[in-house]
Amino acid sequence: DAKTTQPNSMESNEEEPVHLPCNHSTISGTDYIHWYRQLPSQGPEYVIHGLTSNVNNRMASLAIAEDRKSSTLILHRATLRDAAVYYCILSYGQNFVFGPGTRLSVLP
Amino acid sequence: DAGVTQSPTHLIKTRGQQVTLRCSPKSGHDTVSWYQQALGQGPQFIFQYYEEEERQRGNFPDRFSGHQFPNYSSELNVNALLLGDSALYLCASSHLLAGVSETQYFGPGTRLLVL
Repeated sequence: DAKTTQPNSMESNEEEPVHLPCNHSTISGTDYIHWYRQLPSQGPEYVIHGLTSNVNNRMASLAIAEDRKSSTLILHRATLRDAAVYYCILSYGQNFVFGPGTRLSVLP
Repeated sequence: DAGVTQSPTHLIKTRGQQVTLRCSPKSGHDTVSWYQQALGQGPQFIFQYYEEEERQRGNFPDRFSGHQFPNYSSELNVNALLLGDSALYLCASSHLLAGVSETQYFGPGTRLLVL
């Protein structure tokens, strides 16, 4: 399974943008890049996914490097409710391999 | 539209006992995956069911078994419980299209404590 590398933790101030990086240098051509987040005592929540092009949805934006070896999840205006563990996962229809993720703290 | 539901929400068992956890997938989904999440760690894949058969399996012993019913709901069974089986058990559902499982949606999980 392809692996991802994320910072263990990040901090942001409320209402400021947050850029969560993910490195995946061994990504294959068919791997999708998925982002999930998990709030305490809840199951992981789907955030966004993409293959090659940048993607936007109501929750976030996903910026994918041209060589696909890295990606960045962008939260445009962090709120206190965005405090969670964020997982970057590579998958082509197979089971998800979760790493430890990035714990995002949002300061008021 | 109800999302993925799991029951029970919490469960306490003793070592050596057996447990059954249940999952109902999101409407329109035909594939169910189970994950185990120990405290402070990311979820670990146990197995995936499609068309009532185990399609993929992670690195878990045979004490972990499952079943999928014709209505796509699923059960996870764990026999001979060990203290180390204490974890949050997550169910995720997805739709299989052309052999590829699309985005997975997770349930809230069942918290199992083994004493």
